[in-house]
Amino acid sequence: RKEVEQDPGPFNVPEGATVAFNCTYSNSASQSFFWYRQDCRKEPKLLMSVYSSGNEDGRFTAQLNRASQYISLLIRDSKLSDSATYLCVVNNAGNMLTFGGGTRLMVKP
Amino acid sequence: SQTIHQWPATLVQPVGSPLSLECTVEGTSNPNLYWYRQAAGRGLQLLFYSVGIGQISSEVPQNLSASRPQDRQFILSSKKLLLSDSGFYLCAGTPGEGYTFGSGTRLTVV
Repeated sequence: RKEVEQDPGPFNVPEGATVAFNCTYSNSASQSFFWYRQDCRKEPKLLMSVYSSGNEDGRFTAQLNRASQYISLLIRDSKLSDSATYLCVVNNAGNMLTFGGGTRLMVKP
Repeated sequence: SQTIHQWPATLVQPVGSPLSLECTVEGTSNPNLYWYRQAAGRGLQLLFYSVGIGQISSEVPQNLSASRPQDRQFILSSKKLLLSDSGFYLCAGTPGEGYTFGSGTRLTVV
């Protein structure tokens, strides 16, 4: 079983739609969690951290369920510019991040 | 804030040639540094990490090596490239929340 698993997609959605990605992790001792965004042929960039209480940044909402060991990312009112690959990332210990394979999102006009 | 510099952005090298990719860090001292590789359409694979000068840990045995001659310098090398070494090489660093990545080097071995 992979340490961090994501549905690779692609998720094809129209502009304005709401889309949600889930991610599961295998290490129950994992300490911190992140969502990164990676555009085609570019480096990953931190989108947001994921806190136990859930957190929101504009149209983006991240949630963590430690009991079930999954993390979610919700994007509301999708924009064309949201098209990218979204990476679920888990920090197990000592600043060692483990990356999921990514979920590809394509927002269509 | 921390900035990671990588060069070159693109590299085409023949099989059997040597490789040296450099990564330098600005804006922080004593960072943890990492080299990742991403094959086309695939996830990120951790190759090496370093917690300090001269300290290198290898995650995957392969045709590559890494060195950290200075606190803010991390080098990825190979003596003889293989076709399978092609990929997108990313340097990353901490501290800070999560990692900061350099802009990457796209290596094609021909």
